[in-house]
Amino acid sequence: SAVISQKPSRDICQRGTSLTIQCQVDSQVTMMFWYRQQPGQSLTLIATANQGSEATYESGFVIDKFPISRPNLTFSTLTVSNMSPEDSSIYLCSVEVKGMNTEAFFGQGTRLTVV
Amino acid sequence: SQQGEEDPQALSIQEGENATMNCSYKTSINNLQWYRQNSGRGLVHLILIRSNEREKHSGRLRVTLDTSKKSSSLLITASRAADTASYFCATDAGRDDKIIFGKGTRLHILP
Repeated sequence: SAVISQKPSRDICQRGTSLTIQCQVDSQVTMMFWYRQQPGQSLTLIATANQGSEATYESGFVIDKFPISRPNLTFSTLTVSNMSPEDSSIYLCSVEVKGMNTEAFFGQGTRLTVV
Repeated sequence: SQQGEEDPQALSIQEGENATMNCSYKTSINNLQWYRQNSGRGLVHLILIRSNEREKHSGRLRVTLDTSKKSSSLLITASRAADTASYFCATDAGRDDKIIFGKGTRLHILP
């Protein structure tokens, strides 16, 4: 299992500013994932963050808008840059513990409102 | 691309009744998982069923899997107010594939 501490839990930000979200895992994991969940929608994967390499972004997401850091095996940050109201969402970090079965563990989420 | 599709999208039932949610998927899987999400916060893993299993129980939860129909159901018996949440199915195709989530069912338990 894995316990993930994500912060901040919520924030209200002015448009044009940037917010950095942090996730700390209680164990070393190879890959961390960042998701966005817009109101009433499912999770959408933003990017996969491997330690020591550039994050891999999904279609529709770019590094300039969502820069990610992964300095070690227990920590990652996601920055939402130059925010607009359309960026208002819940952002979740996740890790997958692979074994015979793969199970996902999630942070508590960051509820972002851009005004 | 989206793998799981839950139905219904929203469900309201009286406390004490049973709630059934369904999930369909498109490709072969290694296992299927159900998650709960309270009030738009982090997801919590509920139960995992492997592709060679047909039914699994955990407390008030019962999950079935029909690989021939590529579908699964989650039954919550004797529902409680605390069961009000969104429920997501997620599929794991194994190998290096990522877990893929469906759109979720919003369950509301009426007092």
